[in-house]
Amino acid sequence: KNEVEQSPQNLTAQEGEFITINCSYSVGISALHWLQQHPGGGIVSLFMLSSGKKKHGRLIATINIQEKHSSLHITASHPRDSAVYICAVNWDRDDKIIFGKGTRLHILP
Amino acid sequence: DGGITQSPKYLFRKEGQNVTLSCEQNLNHDAMYWYRQDPGQGLRLIYYSQIVNDFQKGDIAEGYSVSREKKESFPLTVTSAQKNPTAFYLCASSTLPTGSSTDTQYFGPGTRLTVL
Repeated sequence: KNEVEQSPQNLTAQEGEFITINCSYSVGISALHWLQQHPGGGIVSLFMLSSGKKKHGRLIATINIQEKHSSLHITASHPRDSAVYICAVNWDRDDKIIFGKGTRLHILP
Repeated sequence: DGGITQSPKYLFRKEGQNVTLSCEQNLNHDAMYWYRQDPGQGLRLIYYSQIVNDFQKGDIAEGYSVSREKKESFPLTVTSAQKNPTAFYLCASSTLPTGSSTDTQYFGPGTRLTVL
């Protein structure tokens, strides 16, 4: 059983579409992270959330602690947004970080 | 510019050989981490270090070894005891030691190891 589940696993969309990637978790957490991994492999941290909503440019991340769910939204998607998006949580028992398997996003021009 | 470097980007080794992956950071971070990424799986923690001369096993430490002689450096050795060493290895660092929920991890570019 995976403590962190992401959906969808793969997503292909046209440029300009509004994108939503979901993350559900089953453990108590102190924080949730959204990471972006580009085809070359490097990972960039996009957001760290413990409540509410954060926005950075065209990216928006929300978290609902009661429902143990977070979403990452991309507005006006662009081919350069193509990447794997990874959800990770800090388990509040020992602060261990648990990673989801990632969502592979492909934006077509 | 501050950041984390890993070298080399691609590494090939014959089965049975030990190999050491480099990770250097100039962010003055206390904590450093090594992760392994396999296709279709989330990142898994191999080892982490919160302070110089100290390190702890992660979830999949068997077949790996590390050292932390300097704050900036956290090399990972993949030994011949590791059953499936072919993988993508990511190093990360953070400002605060593990135990704080407020630290963000900064990742290096990764090393793709292929064992032939």
